[in-house]
Amino acid sequence: DTGVSQDPRHKITKRGQNVTFRCDPISEHNRLYWYRQTLGQGPEFLTYFQNEAQLEKSRLLSDRFSAERPKGSFSTLEIQRTEQGDSAMYLCASSFENSPLHFGNGTRLTVT
Amino acid sequence: AQSVTQLGSHVSVSEGALVLLRCNYSSSVPPYLFWYVQYPNQGLQLLLKYTTGATLVKGINGFEAEFKKSETSFHLTKPSAHMSDAAEYFCAVIHGSSNTGKLIFGQGTTLQVKP
Repeated sequence: DTGVSQDPRHKITKRGQNVTFRCDPISEHNRLYWYRQTLGQGPEFLTYFQNEAQLEKSRLLSDRFSAERPKGSFSTLEIQRTEQGDSAMYLCASSFENSPLHFGNGTRLTVT
Repeated sequence: AQSVTQLGSHVSVSEGALVLLRCNYSSSVPPYLFWYVQYPNQGLQLLLKYTTGATLVKGINGFEAEFKKSETSFHLTKPSAHMSDAAEYFCAVIHGSSNTGKLIFGQGTTLQVKP
């Protein structure tokens, strides 16, 4: 069990640029979640995959956001035309069925 | 719909003192409840969970929490605080059907431990 891995740890980008984050879940976990956490707040759910199927998306996930999990293993979260309001910590978590979520260390995005 | 309220965004205790972090939930179905801890610039680590059965649950690092249905509470306690307990603590509830595993988090409580 190597834990949930997220890359990069930090990303600074200029407004209007596209960014992509990667998450590698624990290998035997079939569920993968993306959350967003802003300063002083709890994590907010963005989207959820069971294997390669994206089963739920939050209304927080505007059309500038897209997530994929093409082979049911790693996942990517892309933000197009970034805005300053997108600055946050993006957390990935995985689980096997209903077991508790295991979180990665997150990707901190700063949009200047 | 499920929701979680953590009373007190900041709690300060002296080393060796009792830690009490408050969490109240709202749920239309029997809840699954969790406490997570987050150290600076890190992800969340599970401290403990309640699903069914015994209402007093013990977790890692000496923490425990008691599920009280009549009070809709799931407060986190530790008898004696250690400096290493300083962190952000989040209470969470499973949203909707437990089959999704999707967590709804409270806003968090920052625990400060004074020497």
